[in-house]
Amino acid sequence: ILNVEQSPQSLHVQEGDSTNFTCSFPSSNFYALHWYRWETAKSPEALFVMTLNGDEKKKGRISATLNTKEGYSYLYIKGSQPEDSATYLCASIQSNTGKLIFGQGTTLQVKP
Amino acid sequence: EPEVTQTPSHQVTQMGQEVILRCVPISNHLYFYWYRQILGQKVEFLVSFYNNEISEKSEIFDDQFSVERPDGSNFTLKIRSTKLEDSAMYFCASRTTGLAGVEQYFGPGTRLTVT
Repeated sequence: ILNVEQSPQSLHVQEGDSTNFTCSFPSSNFYALHWYRWETAKSPEALFVMTLNGDEKKKGRISATLNTKEGYSYLYIKGSQPEDSATYLCASIQSNTGKLIFGQGTTLQVKP
Repeated sequence: EPEVTQTPSHQVTQMGQEVILRCVPISNHLYFYWYRQILGQKVEFLVSFYNNEISEKSEIFDDQFSVERPDGSNFTLKIRSTKLEDSAMYFCASRTTGLAGVEQYFGPGTRLTVT
């Protein structure tokens, strides 16, 4: 059974705090790791697609790292803003059809 | 910016009825997917579709489920005889060629409620 796990399940921070989430995934048959940002009533939106061990990607205040050998990825948000409030999903690809295997998500609430 | 669309946004049906969920993927995309999320659970893969055939399906995707790309633009998911446990948010996704480094674009979902 292929399992992707995320922690924490939810997080409440103050505006300006920096935060990070963890995603663990099977390290065998690894193709890629995706991070999505999902706001209620909207489509999940891709933040990063990472494929290589040691990858680091950045988009504004959000960055992510990837360790394929040990099977984990971190997502960092620097100086959280209320508009960062959303559920952050990670998903791994472990087969050549491209099917995504999702974690349960981390729900972030940023208080002004 | 191109986007994946899904209709309806919410569908209520009685147990045993057939439902068809519709998706319009991004026009130059070649790979298509259905996922679903039962309330409080993980988003789970149902089926992938490429070159007019199913490339992979999950254990959930039994004989009650089928997919079709009838006219080159729509991508549909049919549930022949709905069960209470089919109540979920259903997402369609699509992507271009390539595999590992290519993101999947998701629609906003159809919430299916089976009563």
